[in-house]
Amino acid sequence: DTGVSQDPRHKITKRGQNVTFRCDPISEHNRLYWYRQTLGQGPEFLTYFQNEAQLEKSRLLSDRFSAERPKGSFSTLEIQRTEQGDSAMYLCASSLGADPSTDTQYFGPGTRLTVL
Amino acid sequence: KQEVTQIPAALSVPEGENLVLNCSFTDSAIYNLQWFRQDPGKGLTSLLLIQSSQREQTSGRLNASLDKSSGRSTLYIAASQPGDSATYLCAVPPPGGSQGNLIFGKGTKLSVKP
Repeated sequence: DTGVSQDPRHKITKRGQNVTFRCDPISEHNRLYWYRQTLGQGPEFLTYFQNEAQLEKSRLLSDRFSAERPKGSFSTLEIQRTEQGDSAMYLCASSLGADPSTDTQYFGPGTRLTVL
Repeated sequence: KQEVTQIPAALSVPEGENLVLNCSFTDSAIYNLQWFRQDPGKGLTSLLLIQSSQREQTSGRLNASLDKSSGRSTLYIAASQPGDSATYLCAVPPPGGSQGNLIFGKGTKLSVKP
């Protein structure tokens, strides 16, 4: 399968614990995005990378959140001191990032986080 | 600030009907508009991307149109099937920007009854 993959698919944690999610983009895709989706809402942008550089962060990304993309390949999203409000689906997407008018984003299956 | 609205929030139709889903956006300075499908508990599947210079795009039984001046897009599904049941989302990049992060509507939940 050459699509975007995410791990784990589901994560249950207790409030205050740290969690880390991984995303493997489609190979040769330069851009990688993280979104968060809560029930009944569309995905909300969190941050994105052009190769290994983190180019933009949403104000939704509090200082408890950090994302990395070492060597411009896979990416990790870490949430420290989780809160119940962090419960959501975390989606990763990737794109070629060449021509903005035709740049299609391809999404992974998501990681469902439940904070108890 | 770009806002994306999708109407209706939910739609139920009998199998075989043709249907239209609507998407509106407040700022017309967009590079493109994308339509996605999302099955319950799953990620998003890209259906169609319409460039700002295009009026419509077709893929199989799906046809998406774009009217930038009025800030509207429609997704037309012909001869609907129960397998089309899903939530359909439209999304646009920030106005005039090349950042690429997408701004989504809340989606239309479609149910096609056999």
